[in-house]
Amino acid sequence: QKEVEQDPGPLSVPEGAIVSLNCTYSNSAFQYFMWYRQYSRKGPELLMYTYSSGNKEDGRFTAQVDKSSKYISLFIRDSQPSDSATYLCAMSYGGSNYKLTFGKGTLLTVNP
Amino acid sequence: GAVVSQHPSRVICKSGTSVKIECRSLDFQATTMFWYRQFPKQSLMLMATSNEGSKATYEQGVEKDKFLINHASLTLSTLTVTSAHPEDSSFYICSARRDSYGTDTQYFGPGTRLTVL
Repeated sequence: QKEVEQDPGPLSVPEGAIVSLNCTYSNSAFQYFMWYRQYSRKGPELLMYTYSSGNKEDGRFTAQVDKSSKYISLFIRDSQPSDSATYLCAMSYGGSNYKLTFGKGTLLTVNP
Repeated sequence: GAVVSQHPSRVICKSGTSVKIECRSLDFQATTMFWYRQFPKQSLMLMATSNEGSKATYEQGVEKDKFLINHASLTLSTLTVTSAHPEDSSFYICSARRDSYGTDTQYFGPGTRLTVL
C-alpha cells in the first residue's frame, strides 16, 4: 500500500462547479498537510497548509483534514478555467523529518 | 508568499557535458533545500536534500557523483549534472524549506527543463 493515495483523474468540470479533490494516507504519523497546484511545465505552487484536523479556508479554496480517517480534501468553489492544473497533495512528519511525501496528483480541467 | 527562483529555465546540451542549475530563495533564508526530478505526467521524485554548509543527503538510487549538490549559502543551492546523457533529460525542480510563523513547508522553484542530445 502506498503511503499516499490520490486519484490521478483526469477530472473535467464546467466553469462554476465545486471541485472536490482527495487524498488518503496510511501513516498516522503524518502531521502537516499541503496542497500544491502545478501548471504544465512549471514548479508546484503552495495553495494550502494545515497541521490539524478541521477546515481551513482561503478565498475559493477550502482544505479539510480528518486525521481519524487519514483523509484530506481540497474544495474549490466557483471553479475557473484558470484553475485547470494538476493538484498535488503532500504531507510531512514534521520535527526533524521534513521531507514531503506526495500523492500522484490529480489533473483538473475546468471547461468554460 | 515565499519566492524561489531557478536558473536556467531551460537548457539543451550535448551528451558528455556538465550542466549546472542554480536554486535561490529570494526573500527568506533556507538552511535546507531539496532537489526533485519529474518525468512527464508523474509526480515529483526526491533526489537529494541539500543542507547549508554540509554534504547533501541523496535518496536511494541517486548517484551522488553524477548529481553534485552544493549549498554554499543560506539562499543558494546548485545541482550539477556531470557527464550528462540523454537519459538525464528531465524536468528538475528545487524547493526551499521555510520554517517560520508556524509554517514548516517547502516552496518550489519554477523548474529547469534539461534536454541532453
